[in-house]
Amino acid sequence: EAGVTQFPSHSVIEKGQTVTLRCDPISGHDNLYWYRRVMGKEIKFLLHFVKESKQDESGMPNNRFLAERTGGTYSTLKVQPAELEDSGVYFCASSLGRTVTYEQYFGPGTRLTVT
Amino acid sequence: RKEVEQDPGPFNVPEGATVAFNCTYSNSASQSFFWYRQDCRKEPKLLMSVYSSGNEDGRFTAQLNRASQYISLLIRDSKLSDSATYLCVVNPSYNNNDMRFGAGTRLTVKP
Repeated sequence: EAGVTQFPSHSVIEKGQTVTLRCDPISGHDNLYWYRRVMGKEIKFLLHFVKESKQDESGMPNNRFLAERTGGTYSTLKVQPAELEDSGVYFCASSLGRTVTYEQYFGPGTRLTVT
Repeated sequence: RKEVEQDPGPFNVPEGATVAFNCTYSNSASQSFFWYRQDCRKEPKLLMSVYSSGNEDGRFTAQLNRASQYISLLIRDSKLSDSATYLCVVNPSYNNNDMRFGAGTRLTVKP
């Protein structure tokens, strides 16, 4: 069974540009999460989808970040316009259920560099 | 104060050593606790959940002290393959699996 996949694996953009990250969860997983790790800091929660609905977006840093999950399958995370402090690794995870009894499976991450 | 704090390390130990990692969390209402392992430039992977009664999985033992808001991970008979970053993870809510990560403790096991 395929795991969580993310695209691209790396992205280098200039400040002010737009970048869209994609996450394909494990098939059948209704719950999808975005996290990010900026240099030297811990992994931080960004938001949680249950199917196509945003369950919790309390971790989204500001309105330059927009996450979508149309149709409840794959998700995109758009950063527009990108700033230097957005550099880091963006992880996506998915789980079958929403409670803590369900393991989250992480994707390999997208390494974003804003110059 | 950070939600989850860990020894930053790094821990450099010889093969066969026993090593212990500590973690504290700030939210006393936290529901669930985990240790994740992350290899260099890879994704985090669940190592083990941590239960109040303590639990063991082979060479790995996890303990939870809710009163002290403290979690530990003990690795016995370290192997070279144990070299990784160990992440302490806390979930503040049972119904929403939105995890809070520590910054991680790096372990290097040397021959």
